[in-house]
Amino acid sequence: AQKITQTQPGMFVQEKEAVTLDCTYDTSDPSYGLFWYKQPSSGEMIFLIYQGSYDQQNATEGRYSLNFQKARKSANLVISASQLGDSAMYFCAMTPAGTASKLTFGTGTRLQVTL
Amino acid sequence: KAGVTQTPRYLIKTRGQQVTLSCSPISGHRSVSWYQQTPGQGLQFLFEYFSETQRNKGNFPGRFSGRQFSNSRSEMNVSTLELGDSALYLCASSFLGGPGGRETQYFGPGTRLLVL
Repeated sequence: AQKITQTQPGMFVQEKEAVTLDCTYDTSDPSYGLFWYKQPSSGEMIFLIYQGSYDQQNATEGRYSLNFQKARKSANLVISASQLGDSAMYFCAMTPAGTASKLTFGTGTRLQVTL
Repeated sequence: KAGVTQTPRYLIKTRGQQVTLSCSPISGHRSVSWYQQTPGQGLQFLFEYFSETQRNKGNFPGRFSGRQFSNSRSEMNVSTLELGDSALYLCASSFLGGPGGRETQYFGPGTRLLVL
């Protein structure tokens, strides 16, 4: 079974600052995928970034980067230059190898960006 | 491309009734998955359909069922509704060829179901 742990229920960050959202995972699968999604108050889950377990480099997508430390089983999301529109719930998720269709989610971190 | 669409967006039912939710995936996507989101249990995987066949299933009772049509549109049905079924139901579609060649799921806006 796969498990995702997000230990930060809520975080505050000032506009234009960087913030790191923590995510640790547990799995016995040798191969897996790690994802981060953003959920605004409207409810829709927005895909942010993906990291494969065998990827050698940390994933980056614009202002989002994933700090992947396989030995520590962590996949932290780093948001640079925070914007007010980044205020939302952020979920870390993972899937078994070869599919993204059975996501296991963490409990989420609510990020609030302040002026 | 249009995103994943879900109808209806909001729904109010009473205990014992049944409900059908609909999901239209992104054009070209053949896999459709359903998730339930509640404050207590968080996000939980219900099931996935691919080419009209259920490919994966989560740990939900048989009251929760689904199907997929030849055009990849999917429906989810919940029979004999219970108060605990009140939730946001999210549909996601995916295709091969996402980041790193893996599938990536793209979600719809969800259907908020309230059971009274």
